[in-house]
Amino acid sequence: EAGVVQSPRYKIIEKKQPVAFWCNPISGHNTLYWYLQNLGQGPELLIRYENEEAVDDSQLPKDRFSAERLKGVDSTLKIQPAELGDSAVYLCASSLLTGTGELFFGEGSRLTVL
Amino acid sequence: GENVEQHPSTLSVQEGDSAVIKCTYSDSASNYFPWYKQELGKGPQLIIDIRSNVGEKKDQRIAVTLNKTAKHFSLHITETQPEDSAVYFCAAMTTYSGAGSYQLTFGKGTKLSVIP
Repeated sequence: EAGVVQSPRYKIIEKKQPVAFWCNPISGHNTLYWYLQNLGQGPELLIRYENEEAVDDSQLPKDRFSAERLKGVDSTLKIQPAELGDSAVYLCASSLLTGTGELFFGEGSRLTVL
Repeated sequence: GENVEQHPSTLSVQEGDSAVIKCTYSDSASNYFPWYKQELGKGPQLIIDIRSNVGEKKDQRIAVTLNKTAKHFSLHITETQPEDSAVYFCAAMTTYSGAGSYQLTFGKGTKLSVIP
């Protein structure tokens, strides 16, 4: 069974440029999460989807961050414009159902903003 | 919201010795406590979890204990091996409906080094 797939694995951009990250969850997993992981820190939730609905986006900085999960499968996280402080690893995770608690993470997309 | 504290931040042990990582949480509504292992350049991987109706759970060399009254839980690794070297994260989540539910709050991690 394939795991959570993320791309790109690495991205280097200049500040004020846009960037997008893509995530393909485990087949059949209805719940999808985007987490932010700063260096030396634990992951922090940005947004949670149940199917195509964003049910918890309270920690997503909506002035520059946006996300979508069309058709309830793949998801895209976008930053526009990027700032120096956005340099981090963006992790996608999925779970079979909300409430089961078992999250499966992808390998992450490491963003460097110059 | 939930706050998870994790100690120590770094831990070095000799191969074959035991390692213990401790976490505390603040929200009494939390009822699911997973532990994740993250190797360099990889995403976190679930290694063991425990729910609030259980006090202890064991899986081969790893075990987790939970004290709901004191709001703390611990990870125990016995007979450590070099491949156990990684960053370990504890986390807490509520798994029933309500404000702040289903949000997995992580500790800051413990970097474990197993010295051959």
